[in-house]
Amino acid sequence: AQSVTQPDIHITVSEGASLELRCNYSYGATPYLFWYVQSPGQGLQLLLKYFSGDTLVQGIKGFEAEFKRSQSSFNLRKPSVHWSDAAEYFCAVGARRGGKLIFGQGTELSVKP
Amino acid sequence: EAGVTQSPTHLIKTRGQQATLRCSPISGHTSVYWYQQALGLGLQFLLWYDEGEERNRGNFPPRFSGRQFPNYSSELNVNALELEDSALYLCASSVRDRGVSTDTQYFGPGTRLTVL
Repeated sequence: AQSVTQPDIHITVSEGASLELRCNYSYGATPYLFWYVQSPGQGLQLLLKYFSGDTLVQGIKGFEAEFKRSQSSFNLRKPSVHWSDAAEYFCAVGARRGGKLIFGQGTELSVKP
Repeated sequence: EAGVTQSPTHLIKTRGQQATLRCSPISGHTSVYWYQQALGLGLQFLLWYDEGEERNRGNFPPRFSGRQFPNYSSELNVNALELEDSALYLCASSVRDRGVSTDTQYFGPGTRLTVL
């Protein structure tokens, strides 16, 4: 079955500290992988995506993610978190032929001063 | 370039009524997707329209339906509203290039539906 797991429901980090959000997927074919961010009451903003090629992808707002096929993971990282990064983060997987995205349950990030 | 737009922002209905939600995709995008984000249930895929045709639907009852117009905008209709239909409904769009979807979905701000 196709699924995405984000093991951490809620994470709190200090401003300026590094961040890693975990994402594991189960998918029969070669996946397309995405990270989105959602501020309260808002839609989803695309942070970055992986389709093929270099397994380390750079996104907006200083985020990066690394695709590890052997671990079925696509973890999101940021070297130094800003207070404005507080939001909910969603990992998603999709098919190359298009269609629905399957989302993880999300990780809520809180940033303390 | 304008993003995906959705209307209305908020919608309040009573149980048994019908709700209509609207979505305009990014210019040039031909695929429109609908997702439901209900409290505690995460983001669930509802419907996918491409070139005016319904391509796929999620595990939702038939009272959830929609259509895509010639200008690629889309409408989601929810009939016989139930309390558990209260949720944020998100629309996304993507572009297909020579029959292959890039599958990068760009989301609108959502419509908050409240059923009383």
